[in-house]
Amino acid sequence: KAGVTQTPRYLIKTRGQQVTLSCSPISGHRSVSWYQQTPGQGLQFLFEYFSETQRNKGNFPGRFSGRQFSNSRSEMNVSTLELGDSALYLCASSLYAGKETQYFGPGTRLLVL
Amino acid sequence: TQLLEQSPQFLSIQEGENLTVYCNSSSVFSSLQWYRQEPGEGPVLLVTVVTGGEVKKLKRLTFQFGDARKDSSLHITAAQPGDTGLYLCAGAHGNEKLTFGTGTRLTIIP
Repeated sequence: KAGVTQTPRYLIKTRGQQVTLSCSPISGHRSVSWYQQTPGQGLQFLFEYFSETQRNKGNFPGRFSGRQFSNSRSEMNVSTLELGDSALYLCASSLYAGKETQYFGPGTRLLVL
Repeated sequence: TQLLEQSPQFLSIQEGENLTVYCNSSSVFSSLQWYRQEPGEGPVLLVTVVTGGEVKKLKRLTFQFGDARKDSSLHITAAQPGDTGLYLCAGAHGNEKLTFGTGTRLTIIP
């Protein structure tokens, strides 16, 4: 089975712009979660989608949003980018929602200038 | 938010040495997972422990879940350069989302 894929792998944006990141889960997985990873804060949970519905949400501002499509693919969007949004954004898929084992993609490294 | 503190934060040792890293919380977890993340990659699951006091071995890696299910340890015997990476523990409460620890960045020097 192909693993979780994320596009793009690297991205450079400037403050105030918006960005959309894409994630394709492992075939058959219905849950997709997004995480932000930074050296200072570690791995922080953004949100989880299951069957096109947001099931859980982390403690991030409304500038961070996401959605899931009927084929389980997911996108996350960050509007009005700030310098502090520079991070590795990881997508993970699992068969079901909740505490299931997370299968991570390689991440999208976002740099905000 | 239930915090998972990992220690040490950074560890650099010579090839062949043994080491132990810790994952601690004040909360009880229904299960705990350990992941390893290598540079340029996402974390990969190493093991899941469920029962208090449970010990699992994966080649040279030994994982233990505390009796009270609030803490866990990872012991590596005869460390090799391939063990280098960021080790993350992640705890679950019931069916709620996993909470990831702060991480231990391990470097094995050849």
